[in-house]
Amino acid sequence: NAGVTQTPKFRVLKTGQSMTLLCAQDMNHEYMYWYRQDPGMGLRLIHYSVGEGTTAKGEVPDGYNVSRLKKQNFLLGLESAAPSQTSVYFCASSLGQGAWETQYFGPGTRLLVL
Amino acid sequence: AQSVTQPDIHITVSEGASLELRCNYSYGATPYLFWYVQSPGQGLQLLLKYFSGDTLVQGIKGFEAEFKRSQSSFNLRKPSVHWSDAAEYFCAVGNTGFQKLVFGTGTRLLVSP
Repeated sequence: NAGVTQTPKFRVLKTGQSMTLLCAQDMNHEYMYWYRQDPGMGLRLIHYSVGEGTTAKGEVPDGYNVSRLKKQNFLLGLESAAPSQTSVYFCASSLGQGAWETQYFGPGTRLLVL
Repeated sequence: AQSVTQPDIHITVSEGASLELRCNYSYGATPYLFWYVQSPGQGLQLLLKYFSGDTLVQGIKGFEAEFKRSQSSFNLRKPSVHWSDAAEYFCAVGNTGFQKLVFGTGTRLLVSP
């Protein structure tokens, strides 16, 4: 049982390049989330999904797109990377939608945009 | 909208000493409150959570937190800190609808020998 895994662990992009971050979970969770973590700002929600085939915007969605074609995978895409998207990206999942549910986090992807 | 304030950016504690990390929240209804820990290079791990009942909550690794509605606080405590507790600690609040957590900015704990 690997929990939540993220690919890649680290990536360097040039401004304008595109890339996709992959999140996978093996806990059969319905809900998945993408956060970004920036110094002094904590974690901010980018997009989330309440089930296969669904996505919704979070707090800071601009410049990102997501897809949830399979229940276990949640992809985060950057179509045209900008230096402001340099950050650490975390994926998380939870079993249910209740506010009391525990979110399980992946180890993160560190992205540097030059 | 809900918000979370962690007033201490860094805290240094001697190994074996007690620890208290502060968290204040802003939320109109009964909050759902969480403490997560992030070890260097790792993702976040849940330490404990509160949503009802006893206001003193026990978590993993010997941590506890106390919910004080009158002070809008949910401070994290540990009676004796170990070197392995050095990490960043995040307080978070969840709303009563869909579970979108709002995180504080984190407190980095340093443990001195």
